[in-house]
Amino acid sequence: GENVEQHPSTLSVQEGDSAVIKCTYSDSASNYFPWYKQELGKGPQLIIDIRSNVGEKKDQRIAVTLNKTAKHFSLHITETQPEDSAVYFCAAISRDDKIIFGKGTRLHILP
Amino acid sequence: EPEVTQTPSHQVTQMGQEVILRCVPISNHLYFYWYRQILGQKVEFLVSFYNNEISEKSEIFDDQFSVERPDGSNFTLKIRSTKLEDSAMYFCASSEGAGRPGEQYFGPGTRLTVT
Repeated sequence: GENVEQHPSTLSVQEGDSAVIKCTYSDSASNYFPWYKQELGKGPQLIIDIRSNVGEKKDQRIAVTLNKTAKHFSLHITETQPEDSAVYFCAAISRDDKIIFGKGTRLHILP
Repeated sequence: EPEVTQTPSHQVTQMGQEVILRCVPISNHLYFYWYRQILGQKVEFLVSFYNNEISEKSEIFDDQFSVERPDGSNFTLKIRSTKLEDSAMYFCASSEGAGRPGEQYFGPGTRLTVT
């Protein structure tokens, strides 16, 4: 079945700098890749997604890239702000429409 | 903005006891899910529920687990005889349709601690 690996597990970034979180997946049949943000005391919330027929998608300070050949996808946050501090999960949708999550990245934005 | 709610936020129970975790999905959603996240590990799918029956369940969802929609608003997960390894964060989610898994809305979770 599908397996998603996510790195790094923890990331500290100076406010204003960029943050990059990387994921790989195993099943070439996966075609939809959502990213979730989990703030303290809340459940994961969808923040951006990308389909396999798209190489890059951007929404304000957040962008996702997808390399289908290498089975890599990444989340880029630019001009980071304190409210970006959270746990971020990448995911891939498996052949049977299950959300397969990565282990998560705890992002700390340093003042 | 409508949201999924879960109660309690934290449940402590003794091994062998039964627990019921409660969820109120978004009112016009038809598909309901439970996920589990053991500390430091991935969020894992447990079960999906539609039209008053289980649609799919993972290998984790054994006979100790059951789900129910007792009325028009609640969706519950019952663990019959808890084990230490059931300690985890349990997330409920709901979606309007089944076709877009990324559009499941997650609740804040219930932290279950089995002692």
